[in-house]
Amino acid sequence: DAGVTQSPTHLIKTRGQQVTLRCSPKSGHDTVSWYQQALGQGPQFIFQYYEEEERQRGNFPDRFSGHQFPNYSSELNVNALLLGDSALYLCASSQGTVTYEQYFGPGTRLTVT
Amino acid sequence: GQNIDQPTEMTATEGAIVQINCTYQTSGFNGLFWYQQHAGEAPTFLSYNVLDGLEEKGRFSSFLSRSKGYSYLLLKELQMKDSASYLCAVRVNTNAGKSTFGDGTTLTVKP
Repeated sequence: DAGVTQSPTHLIKTRGQQVTLRCSPKSGHDTVSWYQQALGQGPQFIFQYYEEEERQRGNFPDRFSGHQFPNYSSELNVNALLLGDSALYLCASSQGTVTYEQYFGPGTRLTVT
Repeated sequence: GQNIDQPTEMTATEGAIVQINCTYQTSGFNGLFWYQQHAGEAPTFLSYNVLDGLEEKGRFSSFLSRSKGYSYLLLKELQMKDSASYLCAVRVNTNAGKSTFGDGTTLTVKP
């Protein structure tokens, strides 16, 4: 049973560029949440997708956008990258939105130079 | 706003017991999570408390007092592999995904 997978593992981008990160949820899960984790801090909730729609959003600017596909996989897009966007981006999946169990993927380490 | 406080670092000896505290002030409360995160890895679920009291699961136990906005994670019979960051997170509504995390407590277990 495959867990949550994310790609790529590491990524280096330049300020102003755009980036797309990908997440495949755990088998049987239909909900994907995205988090940003800066070094030395806890994860910060970005948004959540369920039934191909954004259901919840944290305090992140519109530069952060996402998408969920019919197979439940999801993408996180960040436009006009800033140095401060350098972080570990975590994807977590769950079965539905009203559950306490969510499983995290290994994350994508984004470095903006 | 949301505020979750945990000690930044703790050190303990192999075989000992350690208690990691977490206090929270959040707008809404629907449960409290503890996660373990090894350096460079994803958080892994340890426990979930929604009612007051102690939940025991093997070497790990978690306690919650909703009236005090307080929780702790108790780790017994510490092992070297327990060296990690321990994250406290509050579920602010019924949606598990929208949890507010503390900055974590880095636990170092020494021989």
